[in-house]
Amino acid sequence: GAVVSQHPSRVICKSGTSVKIECRSLDFQATTMFWYRQFPKQSLMLMATSNEGSKATYEQGVEKDKFLINHASLTLSTLTVTSAHPEDSSFYICSARAQISYNEQFFGPGTRLTVL
Amino acid sequence: TQLLEQSPQFLSIQEGENLTVYCNSSSVFSSLQWYRQEPGEGPVLLVTVVTGGEVKKLKRLTFQFGDARKDSSLHITAAQTGDTGLYLCAGGRYNTDKLIFGTGTRLQVFP
Repeated sequence: GAVVSQHPSRVICKSGTSVKIECRSLDFQATTMFWYRQFPKQSLMLMATSNEGSKATYEQGVEKDKFLINHASLTLSTLTVTSAHPEDSSFYICSARAQISYNEQFFGPGTRLTVL
Repeated sequence: TQLLEQSPQFLSIQEGENLTVYCNSSSVFSSLQWYRQEPGEGPVLLVTVVTGGEVKKLKRLTFQFGDARKDSSLHITAAQTGDTGLYLCAGGRYNTDKLIFGTGTRLQVFP
């Protein structure tokens, strides 16, 4: 149980284009999903908290117009990187929190974004 | 400010050795999770501890939550090459869904 999928696993795009990443909880309903960014050999950096049916809460320093988050259902959240630039290249990971848990989060496999 | 400091940052050992990873904070957490992450993949939940002083065992891995719920440790007995990865502790708080992640410990086990 507690499986989270992410799509795509890897994407390469040109500078200036937008990229959408999907995060799905496959066998449980997730009222809350999280989006992280991870730089090489570093820990996870929380970007935003995504709540089903409401606006996402962004961490300080994360541009909400740059990283659009939509959580339209209890099993799907999307992150759109708009007008991507090479500095946006990174490993993006989503996680989902089950409705009843000790703050446990279950992570997707991650998406490697490379902006040329 | 990183609220959860892990030590050591890097650890390189041979198969069969024992090791301990520490996760320390000055803050109290409602729960503490340990995750392992392999390159190019998402973190995988290993264990959750919620009670001060709690000890949980998962095969060769022993997890302990400090009595004051401010720190935790992960002990691996007779390490195997499959234990190689990035170990992350993460603390939960009562008033938020967010987790505070530790700085990470990168473990390399050589045959």
